[in-house]
Formats: sequence, C-alpha cells, structure tokens
Amino acid sequence: GQSLEQPSEVTAVEGAIVQINCTYQTSGFYGLSWYQQHDGGAPTFLSYNALDGLEETGRFSSFLSRSDSYGYLLLQELQMKDSASYFCAGSGSGGYQKVTFGTGTKLQVIP
Amino acid sequence: DTGVSQNPRHKITKRGQNVTFRCDPISEHNRLYWYRQTLGQGPEFLTYFQNEAQLEKSRLLSDRFSAERPKGSFSTLEIQRTEQGDSAMYLCASSPIRGGYSYEQYFGPGTRLTVT
Repeated sequence: GQSLEQPSEVTAVEGAIVQINCTYQTSGFYGLSWYQQHDGGAPTFLSYNALDGLEETGRFSSFLSRSDSYGYLLLQELQMKDSASYFCAGSGSGGYQKVTFGTGTKLQVIP
Repeated sequence: DTGVSQNPRHKITKRGQNVTFRCDPISEHNRLYWYRQTLGQGPEFLTYFQNEAQLEKSRLLSDRFSAERPKGSFSTLEIQRTEQGDSAMYLCASSPIRGGYSYEQYFGPGTRLTVT
C-alpha cells in the first residue's frame, strides 16, 4: 500500500520561497504528483515527477528522490492567491494505477 | 473541451435512502477516478475505471457503494442505504493515458452529499 505524509500547515511571506515536503512509504510506486486546492474548490494538477530530479513549471518546481522516498514542491515569488492546500499524490505501477493522496499541507501566505 | 462535470452539485438525503451521482469526464480521457473528501483531509480513493472496466475498488469501500461506467463514457456512483458517515464531497477525476501511465488528473467540481 501507499501512505504519504506532509506537514499540516506552513506560513510564508508574500514574495518569498516556500518548500512543502512529502515523504512516502509505498510498494510498487511509480510517480509523484502535486495538486493545489483552494477552499471550496476542486484539486488542480500542478506537476508530476516520474523520474528523480527537479521538474520546473513557472513559479512551481517539484522534486523527487526515490532512494529517499521523498519529494517536495517549491513555490517561488509567493502571491496571496497561492494560499491553498497542497497535496502530493503517489501513483502505483504496473497494470493497476490507483492514486493515493497525501495528508495535505495548508499554506497561508501573509503580506 | 468543457472539463469534467458532476451532477448534482449538492444532495441532501435522509439516512437510509439511496443516492446516485453522475460524472462526465473529458471526452478523450480513458481513465476515470472517484474519490471522497471530508473537511481537512485529502481525497480518499474509492475506485477507478479504464474505459468501461473497473480496475480497482478500495477495500475500505463497503458493499453499499457501487460504480459503473457503461460504454466507457460517463460514470455513476451509487450509495445505497446512506448513513450519516457518508456525508462528504464526492469528487470525480479523469485522466489521459500517456505511455501506459496516468500522469495527471483533472477534477470535476464535486458533489457534496449531506445525510440527515
């Protein structure tokens, strides 16, 4: 099975950089995704790591290290609209690709 | 491409009643997932389909829950004999397959179920 742990809350200042970590225990793990969810909204896909290393998409970057069972989401030039919950999600491998979401991190951006 | 749609958006029902939700995925997406989410928690996997085949169902899901995806297009999730613990947001997501894998999921707005 899969379990993914994240810090429950993070606070950061507008314009700064913040890193949200995700550690996982899984069997048959294939890749790690990140999703953003504003209060009352649906999750929105941000990025995906199938390979170790850093993936950059605009202000957001995501990193994966399979050997350490660890990944993170990096948000740069924080804006007030980035205040939301962020979830990592692990994808299974092989013929069955159930997706398991992490515990979620609520990010508060302050002026 | 109009995105993933779900109906109804809100459902209030009395304990013991049956409810059915519908999800219309993005048309070219092969995979369709159902999740349940309660306040402050991440989406909890319920089941997923590849085309019309239901490939996996959560072991946490009781026999009161059933899902179908006839013809590999829209999907329905039915909950029989609802209980107050079923109150949650039910999310549907669809995903394209690239190289045999699903890299990203696109979520619908969800159906909020309240069981009184």
